[in-house]
Amino acid sequence: GAVVSQHPSWVICKSGTSVKIECRSLDFQATTMFWYRQFPKQSLMLMATSNEGSKATYEQGVEKDKFLINHASLTLSTLTVTSAHPEDSSFYICSARRETGTDTQYFGPGTRLTVL
Amino acid sequence: DAKTTQPPSMDCAEGRAANLPCNHSTISGNEYVYWYRQIHSQGPQYIIHGLKNNETNEMASLIITEDRKSSTLILPHATLRDTAVYYCIVGGSQGNLIFGKGTKLSVKP
Repeated sequence: GAVVSQHPSWVICKSGTSVKIECRSLDFQATTMFWYRQFPKQSLMLMATSNEGSKATYEQGVEKDKFLINHASLTLSTLTVTSAHPEDSSFYICSARRETGTDTQYFGPGTRLTVL
Repeated sequence: DAKTTQPPSMDCAEGRAANLPCNHSTISGNEYVYWYRQIHSQGPQYIIHGLKNNETNEMASLIITEDRKSSTLILPHATLRDTAVYYCIVGGSQGNLIFGKGTKLSVKP
């Protein structure tokens, strides 16, 4: 159990276009999901906390109008990178918190975004 | 900032136990210690977590000191597939995990 999927696994887009990434918890419900970004040779950096049915909470320095997060159901959160630019190229990873009282998060496999 | 300190890298011989240390001297009483690992170009994989007592599962053992200021992750019989970056994380109050730089474990034949 505790499987999290992401789609797509990789995407290449032109500068100025928008890209949507989906994160699904396959065998459990998650009222809270998280979005991370990882640049080469660096650690994961938390971008935002996605709460089902309410607005996401963004970390300092993350533009909420550029990285749109929607958590429409207990098993799905989406991250849309709007007007993507080459500096947005990164590895985007989501996680879902399985609420067993210990805040255990399970991560998706990640989405590699390359903006040309 | 991450609330943990880990050595940047470690080597381990295949078949031997890998002991990965972590310092978390500022841990709060209600915070858990989590261990994840990340194999290149994949999402982090959950390994184990604990609060006060030592824990063991099919992947690893977690030893937490009595004062909870440090812990050790033990992989009892390391294999080449255990080569990864291992992250020790103290659970945030809102459930968000702050990743440090982790320990790059290299298992060598």
